[in-house]
Amino acid sequence: AQSVTQLDSQVPVFEEAPVELRCNYSSSVSVYLFWYVQYPNQGLQLLLKYLSGSTLVKGINGFEAEFNKSQTSFHLRKPSVHISDTAEYFCAVSVYTGANNLFFGTGTRLTVIP
Amino acid sequence: NAGVTQTPKFQVLKTGQSMTLQCAQDMNHEYMSWYRQDPGMGLRLIHYSVGAGITDQGEVPNGYNVSRSTTEDFPLRLLSAAPSQTSVYFCASRLDSAPNTIYFGEGSWLTVV
Repeated sequence: AQSVTQLDSQVPVFEEAPVELRCNYSSSVSVYLFWYVQYPNQGLQLLLKYLSGSTLVKGINGFEAEFNKSQTSFHLRKPSVHISDTAEYFCAVSVYTGANNLFFGTGTRLTVIP
Repeated sequence: NAGVTQTPKFQVLKTGQSMTLQCAQDMNHEYMSWYRQDPGMGLRLIHYSVGAGITDQGEVPNGYNVSRSTTEDFPLRLLSAAPSQTSVYFCASRLDSAPNTIYFGEGSWLTVV
């Protein structure tokens, strides 16, 4: 079975500072990895995804993530955050086999402080 | 192209009442699923379907029924609502040939009192 762990439930950061949101996964088979963002009272928006190839994935809004197979991690980074980045961020994983169901971590609430 | 449409967007139920959350997609997607989102728990898979006539349980299926009589529709039924089912529900769909591209509905906010 696969699982996703988001190590930080809340991350406060000052505006224009860098941020890293951590995600670790476990799976016995190869996986696809995703980061989603959810703004208050809204639905889910895909930030980026890793399928194969280059381990550094660039997404929307200046975010990027790096897949590290040896550490089973897929951390999300942004070099300089903006107030509008305040939201909840979810890491998710699906496996290559079976129904390819998507499994989510518990989320990290990013709060950007002016 | 409407994508994934969920109705209703907001609903208040009394304990013991039944209701159905509707989900429809117009993209001819074989796969559809339902998630619930609770604070601190992320999104958890309730039920999913890989095609018309086929459904299966996810992580948290208890208290919910589903059916898939058509490719387009995947309703989620609460037969006897409980306060523990207060949550935000998301429907999702995708093509079997594109497992990495999933489309989410906008969510349904359900409160059981």
